[in-house]
Amino acid sequence: AQSVTQLDSHVSVSEGTPVLLRCNYSSSYSPSLFWYVQHPNKGLQLLLKYTSAATLVKGINGFEAEFKKSETSFHLTKPSAHMSDAAEYFCVVRYGSSNTGKLIFGQGTTLQVKP
Amino acid sequence: NAGVTQTPKFRVLKTGQSMTLLCAQDMNHEYMYWYRQDPGMGLRLIHYSVGEGTTAKGEVPDGYNVSRLKKQNFLLGLESAAPSQTSVYFCASRRGETEAFFGQGTRLTVV
Repeated sequence: AQSVTQLDSHVSVSEGTPVLLRCNYSSSYSPSLFWYVQHPNKGLQLLLKYTSAATLVKGINGFEAEFKKSETSFHLTKPSAHMSDAAEYFCVVRYGSSNTGKLIFGQGTTLQVKP
Repeated sequence: NAGVTQTPKFRVLKTGQSMTLLCAQDMNHEYMYWYRQDPGMGLRLIHYSVGEGTTAKGEVPDGYNVSRLKKQNFLLGLESAAPSQTSVYFCASRRGETEAFFGQGTRLTVV
C-alpha cells in the first residue's frame, strides 16, 4: 500500500540549533514528495517539493530536503531554528504519474523551538 | 485571485443532521481533494476528483459523499452526521505536476 511515515511525532530543539524532521515513503516508481507546514489554527503552506529534478531541494525560510532513493527518505532540515519555525510539519507523497491523483500525508511532526 | 475557498469556516451540527461543505477554486485545477485532520493522525484523504464529473474514494470515505458537477467546485456531504465526524476539514486542488493548494479549513463539531 502507498504510505508515508514521519518517524517523530514531536521534535524539540533550541533556537539557533539545527532541525531534522524525518520522512520515509514506501518504495514506488517516480514519487513526488512535498513538505508542508501548518502554524496553529492556520491552513497548510508549501515549504518545498521534489518532482524528479535535483535531489537536494531548497525551500522557503531556509529549509531544505534531500531525496534519497536508496533509503526511501526525504528528510527536512534547517541549519538554525528560529522561534517562528514552531509549527506542525507534514511530509506528503504523490505516487506514479500525475494522473494517479492521490496525495498521501504522513502523521505530522510537531516542532517545538525553545528559547 | 482567491485560490481555494471553503464554506463555511465553522459549523455545529446535531447528530443525524445533514450538511454540505463547499470548496471552490479559481485556478482551473483538474484535481480536487477533501481531507479531515484529527490530532495525531495527520490529514486523511476522504474523497478526491481527477476531473469534472469524476470522483474516487480515499482512505476514509465512509459516511461522506461528494460531487464535482463543475470543475471549480467540489462538494462534501454528510447525510447523517455522527460525533466521530467532528474534525477539521480541508479542501485542496492542484493541476498536473504542481503542488496542492489548500483552503483555510472548516471546523465541524457534531454534538
